Amino acid sequence: GAGVSQTPSNKVTEKGKYVELRCDPISGHTALYWYRQSLGQGPEFLIYFQGTGAADDSGLPNDRFFAVRPEGSVSTLKIQRTERGDSAVYLCASSTSGRRTDTQYFGPGTRLTVL
Amino acid sequence: DAKTTQPNSMESNEEEPVHLPCNHSTISGTDYIHWYRQLPSQGPEYVIHGLTSNVNNRMASLAIAEDRKSSTLILHRATLRDAAVYYCILRGSMNRDDKIIFGKGTRLHILP
Repeated sequence: GAGVSQTPSNKVTEKGKYVELRCDPISGHTALYWYRQSLGQGPEFLIYFQGTGAADDSGLPNDRFFAVRPEGSVSTLKIQRTERGDSAVYLCASSTSGRRTDTQYFGPGTRLTVL
Repeated sequence: DAKTTQPNSMESNEEEPVHLPCNHSTISGTDYIHWYRQLPSQGPEYVIHGLTSNVNNRMASLAIAEDRKSSTLILHRATLRDAAVYYCILRGSMNRDDKIIFGKGTRLHILP
């Protein structure tokens, strides 16, 4: 079956611009997570959705970052006024219900480069 | 989340077993031990998880120490495709939403 998909696979933008990154989770998964990964580091948690609501946004670095999941399926991560330090791979994952025994299924990521 | 400690990198020969260690001395009684791996240019993928008993699946085995302060991921016969970063993760009852806290993992190199 279809896994988690993310678009675009690569995004190059200029400092100060606005970007949107999209995640299509596995159908039926109520839990959706965003992570970002810098070179040589493990993924870092950003935000978690349970259904349509953000259950935990403690990982968002500042108010330039925002994410939505209006219908409880597709999610969009939005970054305003991008900075060079935002360059990273942004990963999305989904799981059946978000419990600690649930497997998280990751997408291939979106590589964001801010020039 | 309790912290895990893994070697930065390891090497193994193709077609030989690989034992990847993980220390988690501050593990709590209800923390599950999970392993994920990340192949080059891909997102992480689930490998295996356990609580107290050793676990086997088609990908690997997980050996958990009796005091649960350490565990070992065992790849029985490594292939070149197993070259990846392996993350040992604790997922605890404190996190109802259970985001994953990743460390730096162990980069496994497979020598042909």
